[in-house]
Amino acid sequence: DTAVSQTPKYLVTQMGNDKSIKCEQNLGHDTMYWYKQDSKKFLKIMFSYNNKELIINETVPNRFSPKSPDKAHLNLHINSLELGDSAVYFCASSQVQASEQYFGPGTRLTVT
Amino acid sequence: AQSVSQHNHHVILSEAASLELGCNYSYGGTVNLFWYVQYPGQHLQLLLKYFSGDPLVKGIKGFEAEFIKSKFSFNLRKPSVQWSDTAEYFCAVNARGYQKVTFGTGTKLQVIP
Repeated sequence: DTAVSQTPKYLVTQMGNDKSIKCEQNLGHDTMYWYKQDSKKFLKIMFSYNNKELIINETVPNRFSPKSPDKAHLNLHINSLELGDSAVYFCASSQVQASEQYFGPGTRLTVT
Repeated sequence: AQSVSQHNHHVILSEAASLELGCNYSYGGTVNLFWYVQYPGQHLQLLLKYFSGDPLVKGIKGFEAEFIKSKFSFNLRKPSVQWSDTAEYFCAVNARGYQKVTFGTGTKLQVIP
């Protein structure tokens, strides 16, 4: 059983489009995260939710909007995609905030 | 604010060589420390963690790390690397009371058979 799953694994789209990435965890964790990993492998946190409540909202454009319908799911919606949004987006979860994290397989987003 | 630095960006070793990857953090208070590994094309996995207690922490796959508070360091070690250890290694820190885990910029390890 996959602990943290993301869909889709690959996403190729054009500038200006709107897209969503879905994340689900079956670990029973209370906290979920979205990270962006750029081409240099730098990993930067974007958002964190604890039991459906937004805890961390880093300086990301408001074109990015997370949604947590329940504590097992954290989706990421991106409006008006730009070239600079191309990256690998990782979802993660942890039992409590800022403890050891379990990462999903990543979604490679390519904006053309 | 917490921060973490990994000074080795790219390390190349031959199989059976010993490994030490540096990690330094900046925060004056109590911290939780982590090492994660990302194999090519895969997601990050936890190698080991330090919260409290024995500063020498053993992780999976023969890795260990030592927390030296006076040096603000948490270096990763392995006595004998294998080709399968080729990966990107990330150190991460969480300052107690902060809600965020901050990752270092990663060290790419390449092991030559």
